[in-house]
Amino acid sequence: GESVGLHLPTLSVQEGDNSIINCAYSNSASDYFIWYKQESGKGPQFIIDIRSNMDKRQGQRVTVLLNKTVKHLSLQIAATQPGDSAVYFCAENNDWGKLQFGAGTQVVVTP
Amino acid sequence: DSGVTQTPKHLITATGQRVTLRCSPRSGDLSVYWYQQSLDQGLQFLIQYYNGEERAKGNILERFSAQQFPDLHSELNLSSLELGDSALYFCASSGTGDNEKLFFGSGTQLSVL
Repeated sequence: GESVGLHLPTLSVQEGDNSIINCAYSNSASDYFIWYKQESGKGPQFIIDIRSNMDKRQGQRVTVLLNKTVKHLSLQIAATQPGDSAVYFCAENNDWGKLQFGAGTQVVVTP
Repeated sequence: DSGVTQTPKHLITATGQRVTLRCSPRSGDLSVYWYQQSLDQGLQFLIQYYNGEERAKGNILERFSAQQFPDLHSELNLSSLELGDSALYFCASSGTGDNEKLFFGSGTQLSVL
């Protein structure tokens, strides 16, 4: 069935380095993608989104890349900081009202 | 702070019981969504309401029900609780201008003993 999945369950990154979190999606009809960050004890927090008519979008220290050919989404975090330690979810919204989440990637920032 | 308020933060109850989770959306948001987050299932969409009407349904059990009131707050009712219902339940809301971007509350941690 349709699914959104993450390649790496845990990503360990040294403080100051760049992080790359990957996500694969299977539904080619998906036209909107979102990255969320979830810190311990908190709800998912919106980071950045991208529509299928774009292949790159930048925010503050974050960049999302979309490759529709291989159905792949990535989140790049520049100069990773301790506060970036969290679980990151990609999600697709191809059916209004049904935001479908991937399994999540735990990012651990080491000093 | 997302602006979405959920109560209670923690709930401990026994099997067979019934509980009600409450959510107040961001000011002005008409859509409310409920999600369940468990370790083995991840974040699962349960149900969505828009301006008081049910809009979309996900993997919500028949033992569960929800509603959205005229003041736009929503309640999720879980009945005949089982051990497997233990999870984090999140409410999210979105506005009319950007319906696809959801803002989540801090969740209710439900423990069924």
